[in-house]
Amino acid sequence: NAGVTQTPKFQVLKTGQSMTLQCAQDMNHNSMYWYRQDPGMGLRLIYYSASEGTTDKGEVPNGYNVSRLNKREFSLRLESAAPSQTSVYFCASSEGPTRVTGELFFGEGSRLTVL
Amino acid sequence: RKEVEQDPGPFNVPEGATVAFNCTYSNSASQSFFWYRQDCRKEPKLLMSVYSSGNEDGRFTAQLNRASQYISLLIRDSKLSDSATYLCVVNEGNAGNMLTFGGGTRLMVKP
Repeated sequence: NAGVTQTPKFQVLKTGQSMTLQCAQDMNHNSMYWYRQDPGMGLRLIYYSASEGTTDKGEVPNGYNVSRLNKREFSLRLESAAPSQTSVYFCASSEGPTRVTGELFFGEGSRLTVL
Repeated sequence: RKEVEQDPGPFNVPEGATVAFNCTYSNSASQSFFWYRQDCRKEPKLLMSVYSSGNEDGRFTAQLNRASQYISLLIRDSKLSDSATYLCVVNEGNAGNMLTFGGGTRLMVKP
């Protein structure tokens, strides 16, 4: 079972470069999320998509854009990378409202370094 | 001020010990609560939900105190394999259906 797949797993960028993190899930989940995790900060929600065709800002959306390409795929784009965006990025999905089950299924993470 | 706060630890305990973590949350309207486990350099995974009446899953017990706005996780008879970071997670009942994660408490179980 693939579950949630993220690519790339590692990336080094220079300041000002752009890149897209790809995420796909094969569990037929409606909702998908992008989080970043920094030491001592916990996971912080960047953007989410409650269902296909919708996207909404999370806690820390500045500097990012997202696309819910279809039910399976949810991509995160950094248009002009900054050192402050050095982090571990996690994509996640959920079958339904997380207030009910609380269960997010995470990908393995993408480690991004911006020099 | 963080909305979900945890002691980062690390908590260093011997095998077989009982250890407890607390987590406080600031939003009194929060509706649901969970504990996640995250192994080093891995993704988080749901450990258990936290119900108002408390709940137990094997060696793990989770409790909620709404009046004081904290939740707890108790691990009995600690195993080496319990070494991980434990994340406190709160759903604040907002329209966005978002989960808010604490910074995590690191547990290291020693032989």
